[in-house]
Amino acid sequence: DSGVTQTPKHLITATGQRVTLRCSPRSGDLSVYWYQQSLDQGLQFLIQYYNGEERAKGNILERFSAQQFPDLHSELNLSSLELGDSALYFCASSSRDYNEQFFGPGTRLTVL
Amino acid sequence: AQSVAQPEDQVNVAEGNPLTVKCTYSVSGNPYLFWYVQYPNRGLQFLLKYITGDNLVKGSYGFEAEFNKSQTSFHLKKPSALVSDSALYFCAVRESQSNTGKLIFGQGTTLQVKP
Repeated sequence: DSGVTQTPKHLITATGQRVTLRCSPRSGDLSVYWYQQSLDQGLQFLIQYYNGEERAKGNILERFSAQQFPDLHSELNLSSLELGDSALYFCASSSRDYNEQFFGPGTRLTVL
Repeated sequence: AQSVAQPEDQVNVAEGNPLTVKCTYSVSGNPYLFWYVQYPNRGLQFLLKYITGDNLVKGSYGFEAEFNKSQTSFHLKKPSALVSDSALYFCAVRESQSNTGKLIFGQGTTLQVKP
């Protein structure tokens, strides 16, 4: 168990809908990262937050947004969902930028 | 731009034999390098990292990796493979000068250890 929790484990929804994925980092970790894992794109960095502030942005679509709250948990919002958004979404946390990241179990999103 | 290459989609090895999973990287400046393992339907688990210092890094479950700056490689090794090592392995890199923790991952290599 990495200490990073993600909810829900599975999410099935329809095209055009909006969903929210939730992540709680390991105790004491200030950085939260979101990654998308799909068969065709592999593991892609989406966005990083550090202590509530956006730190880095990767290949995140404009339909996607994220935030980190004062208690350090983070949410990833995906809107106007398309079939191609079906993927595993991982959250990770770390104590420092150069330290290893600890990954949650992921949320499997299926868009029908 | 940063990139990571894992040239083998799959590596097959017999139990008890040594294993190597290859990784090469491209970054400007010094790299921070990581190996992660993913078991089916699970998240990624950290195995080991290279930040600085000794080129041979030891990690979890008997794995080690050798950093080679001239060949820009960071191959994962284990002297004696176990069937339970069968999983998907990812190499990742971060630029040392970066002020973020963003990791760039390779495409992953499936390790199959046969009894």
